[in-house]
Amino acid sequence: DVKVTQSSRYLVKRTGEKVFLECVQDMDHENMFWYRQDPGLGLRLIYFSYDVKMKEKGDIPEGYSVSREKKERFSLILESASTNQTSMYLCASKRGGRAFFGQGTRLTVV
Amino acid sequence: DQQVKQNSPSLSVQEGRISILNCDYTNSMFDYFLWYKKYPAEGPTFLISISSIKDKNEDGRFTVFLNKSAKHLSLHIVPSQPGDSAVYFCAAFRDNYGQNFVFGPGTRLSVLP
Repeated sequence: DVKVTQSSRYLVKRTGEKVFLECVQDMDHENMFWYRQDPGLGLRLIYFSYDVKMKEKGDIPEGYSVSREKKERFSLILESASTNQTSMYLCASKRGGRAFFGQGTRLTVV
Repeated sequence: DQQVKQNSPSLSVQEGRISILNCDYTNSMFDYFLWYKKYPAEGPTFLISISSIKDKNEDGRFTVFLNKSAKHLSLHIVPSQPGDSAVYFCAAFRDNYGQNFVFGPGTRLSVLP
């Protein structure tokens, strides 16, 4: 079974802090994604990566950056956390026609 | 502009009856459609998919129907069980065109005992 692991289930951070969300997959997938889920808006793509050191902006990249130094690890960085970044963050990796998701990180920015 | 729409934010169904979740899309170039199920505080899990060249795919209690002319797909759950209560997301993507899935906003299904 494919395993996608996010480093934290719940996080509380202060406004202005730099926040790192980590994601690791164990199936050697090339494609990895970061989404955020908000009520009524579904899953919106923040960034994705199709290879090591390669990244593409998604639909809502503002306020975020990413890092992919190794194939199995894809990190999402909130440069200066703001309250409107309070959300559920979901990491996924893709093989063929299917995306496999991590368990999600519920981030609250206070 | 939303390319994948789920116009019903919520649906309640009695246990044992059929649940029908609907999804509409605007981009006729999508090659695959998928349904994901999500429980609170967990990541989405894959449920079932269908290729754009088919009109039906079945897996146990779950069947997905695709009507390309109407740009509409539906997920049927028969019989519905209380454990099916979750948020269901419809998703679509184009093969060999970027790697992104486009998700709908989700429908919250409640199966009442």
